[in-house]
Amino acid sequence: QAVVTQEPSLTVSPGGTVTLTCGSSTGAVTSGHYPYWIQQKPGQAPRTLIYDTNNKHSWTPARFSGSLLGGKAALTLSGAQPEDEAEYYCLLSYDPARLFGGGTKVTVL
Amino acid sequence: EVHFLESGGTLAQPGGSLRLSCTASGFTLSSNGMSWVRQAPGKGLELVSNSVSSGGTYHADSVKGRFTISRDNSKNTLYLQMNSLRVEDTAVYYCTGHGSSSQWGQGTLVTVSS
Repeated sequence: QAVVTQEPSLTVSPGGTVTLTCGSSTGAVTSGHYPYWIQQKPGQAPRTLIYDTNNKHSWTPARFSGSLLGGKAALTLSGAQPEDEAEYYCLLSYDPARLFGGGTKVTVL
Repeated sequence: EVHFLESGGTLAQPGGSLRLSCTASGFTLSSNGMSWVRQAPGKGLELVSNSVSSGGTYHADSVKGRFTISRDNSKNTLYLQMNSLRVEDTAVYYCTGHGSSSQWGQGTLVTVSS
């Protein structure tokens, strides 16, 4: 079974930029993995920010963007705000399976 | 606006059974893929089961043979039948759609304990 890898933790300064990545043990992540990025704050349900690599929901702040970068899926946060402090999970499709990464804890400090 | 509402979570004994429901509103279940995802206390997200609009299903190895995902399109409701429950199945269970319908419900807590 594939393993999805994420950075365990990242720190960004308020107003700064940070890029989270999502790799696959099977090789390069492609659009065919339909990467998702999901945010979860303590005590709250998860919410999807990005689906299918780079598509945003109506509630996704403009400062978040998704892409493919160097064989991985990437979530870039430009202009970090204190309210962006959260756990971020990526989700990849390995039809018919779907696997989550272990999550990246982002601290805005 | 799409909403998912999970229900059915409760305290169950090891070896017991539960059926979770996810009722969708503002959304046509028959046209969309759906997943059940769980989160054990203090842990990350784990995909439990998938159901795609064509009828195909997938279950994680950890629940294969014990859990079954199904849907009643006439009721716009997704189900998760959970049999032979184990202590390690204790988690908050969420339903979520796929793609542009990837909203999440608030979850329902399943506790498996004697």
